[in-house]
Amino acid sequence: EADIYQTPRYLVIGTGKKITLECSQTMGHDKMYWYQQDPGMELHLIHYSYGVNSTEKGDLSSESTVSRIRTEHFPLTLESARPSHTSQYLCASRRTGRYGYTFGSGTRLTVV
Amino acid sequence: KNEVEQSPQNLTAQEGEFITINCSYSVGISALHWLQQHPGGGIVSLFMLSSGKKKHGRLIATINIQEKHSSLHITASHPRDSAVYICGLSANFGNEKLTFGTGTRLTIIP
Repeated sequence: EADIYQTPRYLVIGTGKKITLECSQTMGHDKMYWYQQDPGMELHLIHYSYGVNSTEKGDLSSESTVSRIRTEHFPLTLESARPSHTSQYLCASRRTGRYGYTFGSGTRLTVV
Repeated sequence: KNEVEQSPQNLTAQEGEFITINCSYSVGISALHWLQQHPGGGIVSLFMLSSGKKKHGRLIATINIQEKHSSLHITASHPRDSAVYICGLSANFGNEKLTFGTGTRLTIIP
């Protein structure tokens, strides 16, 4: 029943590789977010978008980049993966106003 | 200094018990969110509150703006309620940078 989709669900990749984590939502939400979460730790906002062609960095410094060319699509790219990027990445979206968040299932990234 | 503190960090209870999870914060907020994170990592948004009380099924969330405190209650708890419950704050209207607590890990024993 999820209306926000993240792929891949799990990814193991070598150091130095370029990777793109996909996030798509079918709800027409204008706002989208990427969070990073280490095991047992709190969520940290790394990127967000208010709408098409709008992207902002969050509080947690990240070497990743994002783009928002279409409302429904908010991919996150790591140009050169490092072991320190090993984490869970969660995508979320919501509609402007007093609305809650819808989260994707997350991508568990391991960089070896 | 954490802007949001949750208690307890871990809670184990028997099936059927009434559960209370607390969230205290130190900044002015426009809204407070309660999230549920299952063992597989998926997150569900339970409530968004700016005042008063909300109820959804067996879940009740309350907020006291003056005391800067919110509680999440679960009535007639069930093993499927076992999850991490996370409190998140929106500091200002239009500010997208939610601040999250570290979560309360709830385990309900059959």
